[in-house]
Amino acid sequence: DGGITQSPKYLFRKEGQNVTLSCEQNLNHDAMYWYRQDPGQGLRLIYYSQIVNDFQKGDIAEGYSVSREKKESFPLTVTSAQKNPTAFDLCASLGGGSLYNEQFFGPGTRLTVL
Amino acid sequence: DAKTTQPPSMDCAEGRAANLPCNHSTISGNEYVYWYRQIHSQGPQYIIHGLKNNETNEMASLIITEDRKSSTLILPHATLRDTAVYYCIVLNAGGTSYGKLTFGQGTILTVHP
Repeated sequence: DGGITQSPKYLFRKEGQNVTLSCEQNLNHDAMYWYRQDPGQGLRLIYYSQIVNDFQKGDIAEGYSVSREKKESFPLTVTSAQKNPTAFDLCASLGGGSLYNEQFFGPGTRLTVL
Repeated sequence: DAKTTQPPSMDCAEGRAANLPCNHSTISGNEYVYWYRQIHSQGPQYIIHGLKNNETNEMASLIITEDRKSSTLILPHATLRDTAVYYCIVLNAGGTSYGKLTFGQGTILTVHP
């Protein structure tokens, strides 16, 4: 089945620790996105990537970094500079040659700072 | 992108139609209206989108007013599995946004037996 997978489902981070969240898609989509959802809130864009080896900061990029070495993969690293205590991080992809197509979302990673 | 306004919560009886309103009075001519939903602790799911004509797919119908300042998402026969947060989003995918979806608070739809 085509889709987006994220791992791990739950992640606990100690203060000062960097962690990396995995996002993989087998939809052959060019564009990929990372969003963060704080408790009781809507989603906000962290980073996006239009094509391999290219990515741009979103609205809340501070404390995060990404890479896009392969079309299928868009990992997100949460650094110690990210102070948010808990969040739901969601990866999405967009394909079909149009920015107006639907975005497909992964199941998310729930990240908690201990 | 234009802002949207949705009621914070709505209830619906199982088997009845659920009509979810959205106000987007500042929408511009090249902006589309999208609806996504998010079931608790899952990633959002695309439902439908449109520009100015009414749209229908296997999940729902989207009714956009003639002046495009508001729209209504219709779930024709709501089931308990339709209980979720529904987000109305206005999108101008061009320019620097590159398809970025801006999610507000959405409407919590609760379907009752």
